[in-house]
Amino acid sequence: GQQVMQIPQYQHVQEGEDFTTYCNSSTTLSNIQWYKQRPGGHPVFLIQLVKSGEVKKQKRLTFQFGEAKKNSSLHITATQTTDVGTYFCAGPNYQLIWGAGTKLIIKP
Amino acid sequence: KAGVTQTPRYLIKTRGQQVTLSCSPISGHRSVSWYQQTPGQGLQFLFEYFSETQRNKGNFPGRFSGRQFSNSRSEMNVSTLELGDSALYLCASSFRGPTSEAFFGQGTRLTVV
Repeated sequence: GQQVMQIPQYQHVQEGEDFTTYCNSSTTLSNIQWYKQRPGGHPVFLIQLVKSGEVKKQKRLTFQFGEAKKNSSLHITATQTTDVGTYFCAGPNYQLIWGAGTKLIIKP
Repeated sequence: KAGVTQTPRYLIKTRGQQVTLSCSPISGHRSVSWYQQTPGQGLQFLFEYFSETQRNKGNFPGRFSGRQFSNSRSEMNVSTLELGDSALYLCASSFRGPTSEAFFGQGTRLTVV
């Protein structure tokens, strides 16, 4: 069945460093969605990408959807403590297929 | 408008018991999905309901069941609880289903002892 692979599983960064997480689907996606889950919280929708090659920005967050619509990335510039959490990508099939998430950890 | 409401927030049950969790979606949303999340794990899809019909089901045993009412509220039932059922159960509502953004409730944390 369709799979969405997400790497890395964890990323430790110093505050102010950049962070990137990558998603790869085994099949072409009609769209890809990104969510953030804060520690102890629930997933919150960040953005949906629909078009091939699409790039969207939300302040320090940049989201990309690959030309083949099979991969996507989220890049955070100059991380802050408020960015801590787990970032999930998800692509629709008959249901949303979720990546395993990338946990952003800020080193003390 | 009000968000997705899940009740109860916390539950402690003993092995062998059964439990029912409730989810009230955002007004106007007809799709409700349920997920199980265990520590360090992603979201494991349980099932999705749309207009009172189960459209999709994940790979969970038959002990996990659900239903949706005409007002789109949904319930999830787990019978004969096992220790491994301890998890955060999340409900998500959306307007159309998988192709539209999902709005999650705060979840029900179930502990089986």
